[in-house]
Amino acid sequence: GENVEQHPSTLSVQEGDSAVIKCTYSDSASNYFPWYKQELGKRPQLIIDIRSNVGEKKDQRIAVTLNKTAKHFSLHITETQPEDSAVYFCAASKRGGGNKLTFGTGTQLKVEL
Amino acid sequence: GAVVSQHPSWVICKSGTSVKIECRSLDFQATTMFWYRQFPKQSLMLMATSNEGSKATYEQGVEKDKFLINHASLTLSTLTVTSAHPEDSSFYICRPSGSSDTQYFGPGTRLTVL
Repeated sequence: GENVEQHPSTLSVQEGDSAVIKCTYSDSASNYFPWYKQELGKRPQLIIDIRSNVGEKKDQRIAVTLNKTAKHFSLHITETQPEDSAVYFCAASKRGGGNKLTFGTGTQLKVEL
Repeated sequence: GAVVSQHPSWVICKSGTSVKIECRSLDFQATTMFWYRQFPKQSLMLMATSNEGSKATYEQGVEKDKFLINHASLTLSTLTVTSAHPEDSSFYICRPSGSSDTQYFGPGTRLTVL
């Protein structure tokens, strides 16, 4: 089955700096890659996603890039703010979001003032 | 995004009792329901997948007789933790899926077994 690895497990940045979280996947048939933000005690919230026919997608301060050949995708957050502090999970699926999602191990992002 | 509710949001029970968790998709028909479990500081682990009107498919290592899943309608699925023990204490989250791609989770249920 699919295996998703995520790095780093913790990331500390200064407010205003950029943060990058990287994930790799094993199943070349995976074609949908969402990113979730989870605050303590709450549900994961979808923040951005990308499909395999696209190499990059951007939404304001958040962007995701996908390299199908290398089977890795990354989350980029620019101009980080304290409210960006949370745990971020990447995931992979073979057929849109309606199908089974395999999650990475998570990255604890801390944005320091 | 999809509107998903879960009940209860938190529950504390004694060891040996059973707990039922409900997940409702309020604005679309959920033909499939994914149930996840999340231990503190860990990732989401898929427990089982259920299709409306069918038996659930459990992931390896998940006891089907302990975690009973019912998906009798397109808007409601239930997870019952039978004979709960302290090691079952966790955050249980559902994710419904319908005719269109859905990536939205229920708000979760925090289970604490004493």
